[in-house]
Amino acid sequence: AQSVTQLGSHVSVSEGALVLLRCNYSSSVPPYLFWYVQYPNQGLQLLLKYTTGATLVKGINGFEAEFKKSETSFHLTKPSAHMSDAAEYFCAGDNTGKLIFGQGTTLQVKP
Amino acid sequence: EAGVAQSPRYKIIEKRQSVAFWCNPISGHATLYWYQQILGQGPKLLIQFQNNGVVDDSQLPKDRFSAERLKGVDSTLKIQPAKLEDSAVYLCASRPREPPSTDTQYFGPGTRLTVL
Repeated sequence: AQSVTQLGSHVSVSEGALVLLRCNYSSSVPPYLFWYVQYPNQGLQLLLKYTTGATLVKGINGFEAEFKKSETSFHLTKPSAHMSDAAEYFCAGDNTGKLIFGQGTTLQVKP
Repeated sequence: EAGVAQSPRYKIIEKRQSVAFWCNPISGHATLYWYQQILGQGPKLLIQFQNNGVVDDSQLPKDRFSAERLKGVDSTLKIQPAKLEDSAVYLCASRPREPPSTDTQYFGPGTRLTVL
């Protein structure tokens, strides 16, 4: 069965620091992988996705993620955090036409 | 293009009452999903529609939850009777049938349900 695990339910960084949010998947078939962001009282907004091709994918707001099959990982990074990045981030996998979500990581950005 | 619309945005009811949520997907999107997001957790799929047919409702508590998508466009999710543990955000998502983004689900703002 497919599962997605996000390491760390809360991550705190200073403004301008590197953001690293970790995601690992468990699946015999590498799934399509997604990162969504959720701001308070809003729905999920797609940040980026990996389906096929280049393993380093760039998304909106300066985020990027790298698919590493050997490590079954799809970690999300951003070189320099901004206060507006504070939100809940969800990693999700899809290899059956259905999204399986991780439990989410809350990103706090300190001034 | 307009996004996925959901209403109401917030609902407070007492346990054993009934409640209904409405979703209007992005125009032309054939696939529609309902998710339940309990506080502190990732969304969990409740039901998936393809046009007006159910593809997967294996995680839907059918003794109290029901959903329909008449005419293959908008959809309604109903809970009757509600329990305390149904307090959650109910998210609707849709997926296009035409490339280039047939692999991507687009989410609405959600309905936050509080059961007292």
